[in-house]
Amino acid sequence: AQSVTQLDSQVPVFEEAPVELRCNYSSSVSVYLFWYVQYPNQGLQLLLKYLSGSTLVKGINGFEAEFNKSQTSFHLRKPSVHISDTAEYFCAVRSRGNTGFQKLVFGTGTRLLVSP
Amino acid sequence: GAGVSQSPSNKVTEKGKDVELRCDPISGHTALYWYRQSLGQGLEFLIYFQGNSAPDKSGLPSDRFSAERTGGSVSTLTIQRTQQEDSAVYLCASSLDLTSSDTQYFGPGTRLTVL
Repeated sequence: AQSVTQLDSQVPVFEEAPVELRCNYSSSVSVYLFWYVQYPNQGLQLLLKYLSGSTLVKGINGFEAEFNKSQTSFHLRKPSVHISDTAEYFCAVRSRGNTGFQKLVFGTGTRLLVSP
Repeated sequence: GAGVSQSPSNKVTEKGKDVELRCDPISGHTALYWYRQSLGQGLEFLIYFQGNSAPDKSGLPSDRFSAERTGGSVSTLTIQRTQQEDSAVYLCASSLDLTSSDTQYFGPGTRLTVL
């Protein structure tokens, strides 16, 4: 089974400052990794995902994440945030197993609050 | 193209009543998923469909919950005899198929409030 830990429930940051949202996972098998964003009263939207290859993944809206296998982490970063980045961010993992259904397992989310 | 749609967007009901939540996936997506998002919690997986079949119902929180998918498209999640702890946002997602690397596309959710 897999689990995801997002230690920071809320991250306040000033506009144009850099931000890092932390994600650690636990799994006995190889996984795919995802970051989703949820704007107020909306569904989840995929920011980026790591499938294979380069451990640095670039996504939409200037976000990027780095897969670190030894630390079982997949932290999300943005060098300069905007007010519009205020949202809830969810990290998720899914087993690479090719037999049977593998469910997407989510962390509890991190609320990013960007202020002027 | 059109994304995943869900209806109603909000539903307020009284304890003990039955509710039906609807999900219309992206056209051509064979896989459909239901999740529950409770206040302060992450997303809890409930059930998935591949085509019309729901092979695994073990994620449903109780036997008051059921889901079906007709014609390989629209899905309905039914909660019977609703309880206050059922209050949550119910999210539906779809993907091309069940491949683990596939992106799941989410609908806006139905916010259920049980009084």
